[in-house]
Amino acid sequence: GAGVSQSPRYKVAKRGQDVALRCDPISGHVSLFWYQQALGQGPEFLTYFQNEAQLDKSGLPSDRFFAERPEGSVSTLKIQRTQQEDSAVYLCASSPTSGRVDTQYFGPGTRLTVL
Amino acid sequence: AQKVTQAQTEISVVEKEDVTLDCVYETRDTTYYLFWYKQPPSGELVFLIRRNSFDEQNEISGRYSWNFQKSTSSFNFTITASQVVDSAVYFCALSEPNTNAGKSTFGDGTTLTVKP
Repeated sequence: GAGVSQSPRYKVAKRGQDVALRCDPISGHVSLFWYQQALGQGPEFLTYFQNEAQLDKSGLPSDRFFAERPEGSVSTLKIQRTQQEDSAVYLCASSPTSGRVDTQYFGPGTRLTVL
Repeated sequence: AQKVTQAQTEISVVEKEDVTLDCVYETRDTTYYLFWYKQPPSGELVFLIRRNSFDEQNEISGRYSWNFQKSTSSFNFTITASQVVDSAVYFCALSEPNTNAGKSTFGDGTTLTVKP
């Protein structure tokens, strides 16, 4: 596909379960971002990759959150021992260069609901 | 610290009306970038415009126009002759490449409803 894709689009987890959210960026894009969007709010930055290197993870809310991009393309955001406050839409974005202020192209998001 | 305020939570207009969405930002940097995104019900954020802090020239793209005023730290977005398809949540965002490593800070969004 031409755009950023994310899977699954919807995920329901029981409290305490681990989840893995996948992002397929636009082919060839160097930079990849993860954001968390709570209901009625704007996206909040979680982490940033330049190719396979995770250059900024300052937005990850706790050590239960972990992201990787091992081959510099697909990325996975993993949340361990999910809590109800983790319920949100998780957005992935990619951009063609290493410049962090380059235009970011967003995927449709994964809506996570923790019961 | 960087901050973006979109004071209008919801706006409702009738088709063909003009509507302006406000965005006020706070930054200590002299170099920064401002963005507007549209988020339709499908959920995907759609990029509309990027403006750097050194370019205060206003921009027009079809029915869309943007008014950047550094003196008031505002970057307002106007839709002329609104259409039902403009109904969405609109986000303003700020990025500081030097002090905050370029991560984008978003406002809480303005929900625009255009009624036929």
